[in-house]
Amino acid sequence: DTEVTQTPKHLVMGMTNKKSLKCEQHMGHRAMYWYKQKAKKPPELMFVYSYEKLSINESVPSRFSPECPNSSLLNLHLHALQPEDSALYLCASSWDRRGDYGYTFGSGTRLTVV
Amino acid sequence: QKEVEQDPGPLSVPEGAIVSLNCTYSNSAFQYFMWYRQYSRKGPELLMYTYSSGNKEDGRFTAQVDKSSKYISLFIRDSQPSDSATYLCAMERAAGNKLTFGGGTRVLVKP
Repeated sequence: DTEVTQTPKHLVMGMTNKKSLKCEQHMGHRAMYWYKQKAKKPPELMFVYSYEKLSINESVPSRFSPECPNSSLLNLHLHALQPEDSALYLCASSWDRRGDYGYTFGSGTRLTVV
Repeated sequence: QKEVEQDPGPLSVPEGAIVSLNCTYSNSAFQYFMWYRQYSRKGPELLMYTYSSGNKEDGRFTAQVDKSSKYISLFIRDSQPSDSATYLCAMERAAGNKLTFGGGTRVLVKP
């Protein structure tokens, strides 16, 4: 298995809703990442988990809450989002902190906040 | 000035032509260099990964890194319409864990 699987593929949520994005990989990677990508822009790093511990938070608003239940799973909990948070949310994984051999990205969750 | 500069394109070429993409960077701390291909509404797909100056070839793809000039390139030979996508360069410091992307170049290969 050489994939990062993200669910759901599409999500529409209201500004008062609570929802979660899920990411799963079974490649034995020990680092996992959340990125946000707006249209026609490159991905922007949000969070990094290394060996199931949060190692980087790129000053992301608290309405985004990451969670790493185990080495294969990564969640992103969403609450009280704003319309400007609408974007493609990408999960990625790599062998270790240095991203040896590159990063594997999932296909993303396209989030629309209404 | 951005840390990584990449021409946004679009770059339009006929089928079978060589596609030439490049990025320049300003931070000499970058040690690892990657090229990703991203189709519309999909996640980036790793094409090439390298950490040393010189050339690396994989099938139709050749990546070049010139650390002295802070310049990286990707060449796609015998381009196909299926190569039409946005190509992102990305690089990383030795400490790892954080990719810095170029802005992406949109490529269109016309049949």
